[in-house]
Amino acid sequence: AQSVTQLDSQVPVFEEAPVELRCNYSSSVSVYLFWYVQYPNQGLQLLLKYLSGSTLVKGINGFEAEFNKSQTSFHLRKPSVHISDTAEYFCAVKETSGSRLTFGEGTQLTVNP
Amino acid sequence: DAGVTQSPTHLIKTRGQHVTLRCSPISGHKSVSWYQQVLGQGPQFIFQYYEKEERGRGNFPDRFSARQFPNYSSELNVNALLLGDSALYLCASSSDRTGGYTFGSGTRLTVV
Repeated sequence: AQSVTQLDSQVPVFEEAPVELRCNYSSSVSVYLFWYVQYPNQGLQLLLKYLSGSTLVKGINGFEAEFNKSQTSFHLRKPSVHISDTAEYFCAVKETSGSRLTFGEGTQLTVNP
Repeated sequence: DAGVTQSPTHLIKTRGQHVTLRCSPISGHKSVSWYQQVLGQGPQFIFQYYEKEERGRGNFPDRFSARQFPNYSSELNVNALLLGDSALYLCASSSDRTGGYTFGSGTRLTVV
C-alpha cells in the first residue's frame, strides 16, 4: 500500500515570494505522482503530474515539481506567488498498475499582500 | 467541452435515509472514480469503474455501492446514512490508467 505525507499543513507567504510545498510518499512499487489544487467550495484541479522521464515537471499557473526517487519526494514550487494562489494543495500518488489515487492531508497555502 | 458534471451540488438528508449521487464523465472517458472528502482532510478513494466493471474498492462499508451505465455515467449509493457520512463526494473521470483524473465540483452531503 502507498501513503503520502504532506509535511506542512499551513504555509503563509507574502505575495511575490517563492514557495515550496513538501510532499513525501511511500510505496513498494512504481508510482505516478500528482499535485492538485482545491479552491474553496470547488473540486480538485490538476496542477501537474509525473509519469516518467524528466524529474522536473512543469504545470499550470507557473508551478513546477521535482521527483526525487532516492528521497521519495515530490515537492511543489513556485518562484513568485500571487494572491490568487491561495488555496488547498494536495499531493497524490497512484501505483502504475493500480486504480486509486492516495492523497495527502493537504497544505493550505495563504498568500498575504 | 463539458467537464465532469455531478448532481446534485448540495444535499441534506436525515440519518437512516438513502442517497443517490450522480456523475457524468468527460465525453470519451470510460473510467469513473468516486472519492469522499471529509472537511479538513484529503479525499479518500471509494470506488473505480472502468467499462462498467468495478476495478477497485476502498475501505468503505457495504452501505456504499456504485454502478456505471452503458453511457459511462455513474451513480454512488449510500444506505442507512450516518452523521459521519457528511462530506464532499467527488467524482473523477479518466481516459486511461496513467492518471490525470479530472474531478467534478462535487456533491456536498450533509446528514442531520
